[in-house]
Amino acid sequence: DAKTTQPNSMESNEEEPVHLPCNHSTISGTDYIHWYRQLPSQGPEYVIHGLTSNVNNRMASLAIAEDRKSSTLILHRATLRDAAVYYCILRNSGGSNYKLTFGKGTLLTVNP
Amino acid sequence: DTAVSQTPKYLVTQMGNDKSIKCEQNLGHDTMYWYKQDSKKFLKIMFSYNNKELIINETVPNRFSPKSPDKAHLNLHINSLELGDSAVYFCASSRTTGTGELFFGEGSRLTVL
Repeated sequence: DAKTTQPNSMESNEEEPVHLPCNHSTISGTDYIHWYRQLPSQGPEYVIHGLTSNVNNRMASLAIAEDRKSSTLILHRATLRDAAVYYCILRNSGGSNYKLTFGKGTLLTVNP
Repeated sequence: DTAVSQTPKYLVTQMGNDKSIKCEQNLGHDTMYWYKQDSKKFLKIMFSYNNKELIINETVPNRFSPKSPDKAHLNLHINSLELGDSAVYFCASSRTTGTGELFFGEGSRLTVL
């Protein structure tokens, strides 16, 4: 799986938007960009994924750069419950093997 | 209903013992995984099964033996436990086709004394 680079940590205030960046300069044309998050003492949970176009769902938005070498996960209004480690992962769409390789992720702290 | 459930949630045992962790998913998925998260919080894939067949086997000591009796279950048996096996073990499942979104269990924390 191609490598991603994320800041180790970020801080936000409650009810403010949060933009979590991810660099993936070696992304291939068939790599999907996936985001997962892991709340304290829980298993990772899927947040969102995309290929080329920006994506929105009930949890977040994903903005993908035109050259696809970077992306940004957007939490529109952070809550205390959003404090977690956020992982940006590339998954190749070829084949049926869904091995996801997790990096260090970004630890998001949300201040009240 | 819990989608991916693991038992036990906590396991404390002595070095040299043999222990098992069980995992069940009720999502109808045909691919299941075991991940290990060590004290530094790195999540690493250990095994993956698709329709009861082993498809991923990372560099894991052969003391670890996964078993998939059917596609809804993937158990992890560990022989001769060592201190370094202490970690949180996560089970996950996904569909083979489609977006490949993984659903994780809550984890099983293994402590080897």
